[in-house]
Amino acid sequence: EVQLVESGGGLVQPGGSLRLSCAASGFTFSSYWMSWVRQAPGKGLEWVANIKQDGSEKYYVDSVKGRFTISRDNAKNSLYLQMNSLRAEDTAVYYCAEGYFFDSWGQGTLVTVSS
Amino acid sequence: DIVMTQTPLSLSVTPGQPASISCKSSQSLLHSDGKTYLYWYLQKSGQSPQLLIYELSNRFSGVPDRFSGSGSGTDFTLTISRVEAEDVGVYYCMQSIQVPQTFGQGTKVEIK
Repeated sequence: EVQLVESGGGLVQPGGSLRLSCAASGFTFSSYWMSWVRQAPGKGLEWVANIKQDGSEKYYVDSVKGRFTISRDNAKNSLYLQMNSLRAEDTAVYYCAEGYFFDSWGQGTLVTVSS
Repeated sequence: DIVMTQTPLSLSVTPGQPASISCKSSQSLLHSDGKTYLYWYLQKSGQSPQLLIYELSNRFSGVPDRFSGSGSGTDFTLTISRVEAEDVGVYYCMQSIQVPQTFGQGTKVEIK
């Protein structure tokens, strides 16, 4: 059974940083694209970033380019999202998702950017 | 960016009756490889989204056959042949033919 467990969310001040992690199990992590998708409170879904199996390709939504960095460690079956220069509009539940098409999702971790 | 537009935004359905959700894209989702990169997800209250349909019309593992996806080019439909109480939630379409991958606004389905 696929399991994706996010961690690292919390309250941070505008301009601050957070690093999200996603621990994967139940599938061959190194064989899949991985993605981050977010959902602002009471709003819809927004794709944030994804990364190829070997980390050689990474893509980002325009609103986070230059501020967020997606990475992975296939030896640890883990996905990461380094978030810098956080803004109020980054407040959301951040989901880790398996594959380019989000076959499976984690439970999400809440990031709140507020002073 | 490709804009995904869903209608209606909310839907109230009698159990056992059919329901349909429309999704229109601002550009064709038909790729040169012959696949249509259109997906449907359901997010039940308090839960993470779950994949229902991939590449236009393929049901994901474990998805009941009352769910079906259809359409072509820029016009797509998710149909639930006979709605059950467990189908309530918000349905999203998504395109993956072009970065950024973009979602529709969501359609909230409730039971009458």
